[in-house]
Amino acid sequence: DAKTTQPNSMESNEEEPVHLPCNHSTISGTDYIHWYRQLPSQGPEYVIHGLTSNVNNRMASLAIAEDRKSSTLILHRATLRDAAVYYCQPLNFGNEKLTFGTGTRLTIIP
Amino acid sequence: EPEVTQTPSHQVTQMGQEVILRCVPISNHLYFYWYRQILGQKVEFLVSFYNNEISEKSEIFDDQFSVERPDGSNFTLKIRSTKLEDSAMYFCASSPGWVFSQEPYEQYFGPGTRLTVT
Repeated sequence: DAKTTQPNSMESNEEEPVHLPCNHSTISGTDYIHWYRQLPSQGPEYVIHGLTSNVNNRMASLAIAEDRKSSTLILHRATLRDAAVYYCQPLNFGNEKLTFGTGTRLTIIP
Repeated sequence: EPEVTQTPSHQVTQMGQEVILRCVPISNHLYFYWYRQILGQKVEFLVSFYNNEISEKSEIFDDQFSVERPDGSNFTLKIRSTKLEDSAMYFCASSPGWVFSQEPYEQYFGPGTRLTVT
């Protein structure tokens, strides 16, 4: 979806925090934002989701901008096992086609 | 932990042949999905399925594609006459409830079937 954009790639040092941005400028007020990641040679796996306020779970945190046109997935302390492609997935209630963003390939430097 | 399984892991077929990709979703899940991923590209939605009917489908999911839940456990994707451009990884997913619910459900993905059309 051309309206959901993510940087192609990012690098981070091991044990450092990582902030992965996603722009979803056409999101509406009721559209949740999901994040998935795809480890090498695997199917996507769920990471986190949110609507308006920031969310935390055991894997990550999700910070959602006040205007909701962007969100940031935060890995607080990246490990080598976090190397993956991270996709945001704004759920567009007007178009229930489950479109993934362009994805960010995260490389962790030991 | 329950997981989605897919068979085969790799399918090679000749152009014009029919293929059926099989998935066993998590047993108490009600919603089922197929996605594809062309090599080096992002994951693309194909179709969602609930109560033996297609809920939504993308522009990719044309008349060459069909889905079926032939019994209580399997969920299949059929491509009637494969083309070279159908070569991709195909992922099945399931969720216990509808992703677009007021409190949305997460999707659980299988490991994928790599389809190679020659």
